[in-house]
Amino acid sequence: DAGVIQSPRHEVTEMGQEVTLRCKPISGHNSLFWYRQTMMRGLELLIYFNNNVPIDDSGMPEDRFSAKMPNASFSTLKIQPSEPRDSAVYFCASSLATGDQPQHFGDGTRLSIL
Amino acid sequence: QQPVQSPQAVILREGEDAVINCSSSKALYSVHWYRQKHGEAPVFLMILLKGGEQKGHDKISASFNEKKQQSSLYLTASQLSYSGTYFCGTRTNDYKLSFGAGTTVTVRA
Repeated sequence: DAGVIQSPRHEVTEMGQEVTLRCKPISGHNSLFWYRQTMMRGLELLIYFNNNVPIDDSGMPEDRFSAKMPNASFSTLKIQPSEPRDSAVYFCASSLATGDQPQHFGDGTRLSIL
Repeated sequence: QQPVQSPQAVILREGEDAVINCSSSKALYSVHWYRQKHGEAPVFLMILLKGGEQKGHDKISASFNEKKQQSSLYLTASQLSYSGTYFCGTRTNDYKLSFGAGTTVTVRA
C-alpha cells in the first residue's frame, strides 16, 4: 500500500519567494496533520484537518502560512513570503480517525530558505 | 503542553537494556510512541490508553501510569536496528498529540 506521499522532498529557495508543499494522504484516512520539525523546537503541529475541514490551525506560526485540503486525497501548505526562519523539515501525516489512531508520516520536505 | 522526556540521549551496546521516560503535567488520555531514524520520517511504534496497560512491539515494550501521568518505553536486549530518536506523543482531552523533544538512542556493536 502506498504511504503518505509528500512533494517536493527538498526545496531551496530565496527569501521572499512563495513555497508550496504538497501531501497525498493514505487512501481512506480522514485525518491529516501538518508538522514542522526543527532542532530548536522539535516536532510541532501546525494544522489539523478532519474530513477535509481545518479543525485547528492554532499552530500555524503566522499569516504567511496557509493550508488547504480541497479533497480527501490532497493537501497543500503554502508559505508566502518565505523567510530564513521557516527553514525546517515539514511532515504531513494521516490517520484513520482522530484520537488514538497511529499517524502515518510522509518522508517530509526539507525546506531551506536562503 | 510538551511532555518531558528523559534521558536526552543514551548509548548502548548490543544486548543491553534501556528505559526512556515521558512525563506530562496534564492528565493524559493516551501516550503514543514513535521512532525516527536520521533523515527519515517518524514511524509509529505503539499507543497506550488509559488503564495502565503495557504493550509490546518486538522487544520494545511500554507502560502507562495515568495517575502519575507518565509513560516508560523499555528497550530490551537492544539491537543495532533500535538506534534512532524516540518520541513520545501525549494526548490530553482533544485530538492533538504533543511530542516530547525526543531521546536519541545509539546502539553499538
